[in-house]
Order: sequence, then structure tokens, then C-alpha cells
Amino acid sequence: DTGVSQDPRHKITKRGQNVTFRCDPISEHNRLYWYRQTLGQGPEFLTYFQNEAQLEKSRLLSDRFSAERPKGSFSTLEIQRTEQGDSAMYLCASSLALGQVSGNTIYFGEGSWLTVV
Amino acid sequence: AQSVTQLGSHVSVSEGALVLLRCNYSSSVPPYLFWYVQYPNQGLQLLLKYTTGATLVKGINGFEAEFKKSETSFHLTKPSAHMSDAAEYFCAVSATGGYQKVTFGTGTKLQVIP
Repeated sequence: DTGVSQDPRHKITKRGQNVTFRCDPISEHNRLYWYRQTLGQGPEFLTYFQNEAQLEKSRLLSDRFSAERPKGSFSTLEIQRTEQGDSAMYLCASSLALGQVSGNTIYFGEGSWLTVV
Repeated sequence: AQSVTQLGSHVSVSEGALVLLRCNYSSSVPPYLFWYVQYPNQGLQLLLKYTTGATLVKGINGFEAEFKKSETSFHLTKPSAHMSDAAEYFCAVSATGGYQKVTFGTGTKLQVIP
């Protein structure tokens, strides 16, 4: 079990540029989540996938943000026209559906730090 | 709707002393409750969780937490603090059923004084 993997771990970008983060969940997990964490705060929910379907998006996820999970495996989170306020750590997590073994536990990756300058 | 309140953004204890981190939750349905730990520049690691059954839950690294429905609390304790326990701790809640959207508290930074 390799855990949840995120890439890149750190990204520095100029304001206005686009960035993309990738998440590889634990292989048998059918649920995938994106969270955002700013300094001094707890993680905030952004969006959730069950297999390839994106089932909920937080109002924190503006039109500049888009997430995909083609084929229900890895996921990407793209931020277009980045702003300084987008600077944060973006956390990916995965889990099994409720009722399955080890359900109810969400496993987090190491996070991707974004700094917009 | 669900929410978590962590009392005390910073807690300092001496090495060997009792660790007590407080968490109160609000949930309209029976909750699942979690404690996660985060070391600097790292992701979150699950310490322990409560889903159903025994209300005293034991986790990794000697931590435990007790679910008290009447007090809507899920405080985290450890009998004897170790220097390696210095980190940030997050209490979290999700609703039973549904897709397990987890709501986190704002975190408590634990400092261990030698």
C-alpha cells in the first residue's frame, strides 16, 4: 500500500499563471477528496469524487478551479489565472465507500504547497 | 450540518505531563469523529476514530479519546507527553451515511517543553 500520492509537493507561480496538481489515491479507493488548508486553519473541503463522478463542489471552488478524475483513478486540480489568495496547501484524500472494509477512514496525502507571487 | 470547535489554539505541556486537547462537535445526525495529527509541512495522519461501539477509543502513539454524547465532546488525551508529540492536532467530524464529507476544526498546536 503506497498511500495517497500528490505531485508536485511545492509550486511557486506568478500571479495569473495556471497550475495543475495531481493526486493518485490508494489503489482500491473509490472516493477521492480535495481540501485546501491555509496557515493557521484546518483543512477546508473543496470537492469530492465517487469513481469518476464529481458529486459535490464547495462554494470555495470558484470558476477558476476545476477538478477531474478521468476513469476514476488519479485526479487533477487545476487553478486558472492564479491569485495571491490561492496560496495554500492543497490536500488530496481517498477512502472506500461506507460499508466496505476500512470504510469511514479518509487517508490524506502529503499535500501540494502553492505559493503565488 | 456539522461543525467542530477546538478549545485552545495552542497548548503547552511539560514532557511527561498529561496531554488534554479539547474538541466539541455539532452534528444533526450521529457522527463519526476523528483526530488527525499534522507535522510541519506534511499531510494529516489519522490518530484515532470513533464510529460506533465502545466510546473510549485508543489510537496510535499512546493517544486515546472518549466520545461523550451528552457533552458533545471528543477530547484527546495522552498520559505522558513525549517531545515527538509536538505537532498540530485536528479534530474532525463526518455524518454517518452519505459520502463522509469531513469537517475539520481549526487545530490545536501542541508544544512539549523539556
